[in-house]
Amino acid sequence: GESVGLHLPTLSVQEGDNSIINCAYSNSASDYFIWYKQESGKGPQFIIDIRSNMDKRQGQRVTVLLNKTVKHLSLQIAATQPGDSAVYFCAENPNTGFQKLVFGTGTRLLVSP
Amino acid sequence: DAGVTQSPTHLIKTRGQHVTLRCSPISGHKSVSWYQQVLGQGPQFIFQYYEKEERGRGNFPDRFSARQFPNYSSELNVNALLLGDSALYLCASSPSRDRGEKLFFGSGTQLSVL
Repeated sequence: GESVGLHLPTLSVQEGDNSIINCAYSNSASDYFIWYKQESGKGPQFIIDIRSNMDKRQGQRVTVLLNKTVKHLSLQIAATQPGDSAVYFCAENPNTGFQKLVFGTGTRLLVSP
Repeated sequence: DAGVTQSPTHLIKTRGQHVTLRCSPISGHKSVSWYQQVLGQGPQFIFQYYEKEERGRGNFPDRFSARQFPNYSSELNVNALLLGDSALYLCASSPSRDRGEKLFFGSGTQLSVL
């Protein structure tokens, strides 16, 4: 069925470190994933997406890796900054014929100076 | 340019009451979606509207309804409020109804049901 989940609820890192946030999904037919960042008091903000025909996609300081064999994806943030502190969600975009995102529970990233 | 705007930002209701939440999409965006986010969880899909028609519905009871107006703004209505309806209600807009379109979220309406 449609479900996404995260391994860790909270990740604490030092400023300048690289951060890795993990996400597992259960539906082997899932083919489109998006990472969102949600800061306190705000709605989710798009970070990066990846489709199943790719294993890796890079953006500005972020990289998403997709391992379809074990149904796992990760978000890597390079040189983490205090402004990266937020809750990060992976979301699946199932092929339903309409726009629908299925979000995981989220991982809180805490960046200390 | 203004982003997705939602009103009110906070709302307190009592059980059994009715509530109407409002959303104005980004200018030029024709698709509006609604999500419910319970504290500590990820957002959960409620509805998608495009060109004033419901295009998709999540697993929510009939107490939840919505509509989209000719100017593409939208309202979410919840009847017979329950304590469990307390949540952040998020509106998201996109230019089209296509699956691959990026969704832009508003900051939400925080609903508390007492």
